[in-house]
Amino acid sequence: QVQLVESGGGVVQPGRSLRLSCTASGFIFSSYGMHWVRQAPGQGLEWVAIIYFDGSDKYYADSVKGRFTISRDDSKNTLYLQMNSLRADDTAVYYCAREVTTVYYYYGMDVWGQGTTVTVSS
Amino acid sequence: QSALTQPASMSGSPGQSITISCTGTSSDVGGYNYVSWYQKHTGKAPKLMIYAVSNRPSGVSNRFSGSKSGNTASLTISGLQAEDEADYYCSSYTSSNTGVFGGGTKLTVL
Repeated sequence: QVQLVESGGGVVQPGRSLRLSCTASGFIFSSYGMHWVRQAPGQGLEWVAIIYFDGSDKYYADSVKGRFTISRDDSKNTLYLQMNSLRADDTAVYYCAREVTTVYYYYGMDVWGQGTTVTVSS
Repeated sequence: QSALTQPASMSGSPGQSITISCTGTSSDVGGYNYVSWYQKHTGKAPKLMIYAVSNRPSGVSNRFSGSKSGNTASLTISGLQAEDEADYYCSSYTSSNTGVFGGGTKLTVL
């Protein structure tokens, strides 16, 4: 079945780095734009980043620009989020999500992973 | 990238209809037909309910509908059911080529 599975979360000290992975199955991963979305404890959803289907374009929320990098490896059906210079306010559950269509971007996200928790604390 | 504005909470009785609003600007909601809505239960992943303003994914009940007027998008839930109790989030594309979510609306079914 169509599925996304995140991994790589954990507890990390402020200023350190962490890389999240999102492995896709059940669909043609290379045809879809992909997003990262996060939810801090007790807070709402926050859009983090998008990568186009071919990796040609990537965009970031201001809160993570210059610190986070989104990438993809279509040979492994895997999406990544490299997170550097982590701060306490990056503590959140991180979800990867698939665009609802292969034609447009930001139409909506129809397939979500279960989330992976990142805790930034000394 | 200011969050879109949603009411923090709403409530309704079973069988009633409710409409959740999502207000942005001409640089996001008002400028593009790229508004989506998500249902989120605590501890679960978000679920897409409406995409591109008014399109319903397969498998989503037709009790859910979306619309937009100017800078405000709306999600209407008709025939409210106990299982509809959840948090609801709107999202939009922005002129900065980014996405933005609303602050979320906690829906209580009385």
